[in-house]
Amino acid sequence: AQTVTQSQPEMSVQEAETVTLSCTYDTSESDYYLFWYKQPPSRQMILVIRQEAYKQQNATENRFSVNFQKAAKSFSLKISDSQLGDAAMYFCAYRRGNNNDMRFGAGTRLTVKP
Amino acid sequence: DTAVSQTPKYLVTQMGNDKSIKCEQNLGHDTMYWYKQDSKKFLKIMFSYNNKELIINETVPNRFSPKSPDKAHLNLHINSLELGDSAVYFCASSPRAYNTEAFFGQGTRLTVV
Repeated sequence: AQTVTQSQPEMSVQEAETVTLSCTYDTSESDYYLFWYKQPPSRQMILVIRQEAYKQQNATENRFSVNFQKAAKSFSLKISDSQLGDAAMYFCAYRRGNNNDMRFGAGTRLTVKP
Repeated sequence: DTAVSQTPKYLVTQMGNDKSIKCEQNLGHDTMYWYKQDSKKFLKIMFSYNNKELIINETVPNRFSPKSPDKAHLNLHINSLELGDSAVYFCASSPRAYNTEAFFGQGTRLTVV
């Protein structure tokens, strides 16, 4: 079974600085997709960024970018110029290429200090 | 024009009762899910339906029964509620294309007293 591990239960960053959230996953598949979701206190799950495993180029969405290391099965999220609104739970998720099954890591709580 | 909507948003009930949570999506997606988020924020998949057909059924007590009358609806019925069922339950949907994310409802906070 595929597993997703987020080893940082909590992280803290100063406003305007950069923070990296870690995620590793375990799979024997070659075709899969990876996602980062944000869950603010409103509890709504919001997609931050997605990465296709077959793409070597790291995905970027404005201040959010990933470092995808396929061989190491690592998928970290970098948040640049952190803002107070970035404070939330962040979940890494894995979806197999031919499957509806989407699995989540345990989450990392990000605090942004003013 | 909410994409994935769940009702109710909050549900407080006594042990032993039976309750249902409804979910509807207007995105035309083929796949719908139920996830349970416990007090430690861990998100665990419970069920997945594809065009009304049950695809994923994780190890969930038989007291939980999903029902999909059509591909736009996936309801969750819970019998004989227990204290440990207290959690936030999320409905989600996604299109057939697997490179697309799942779209989540706002969640239903279930409290069993």
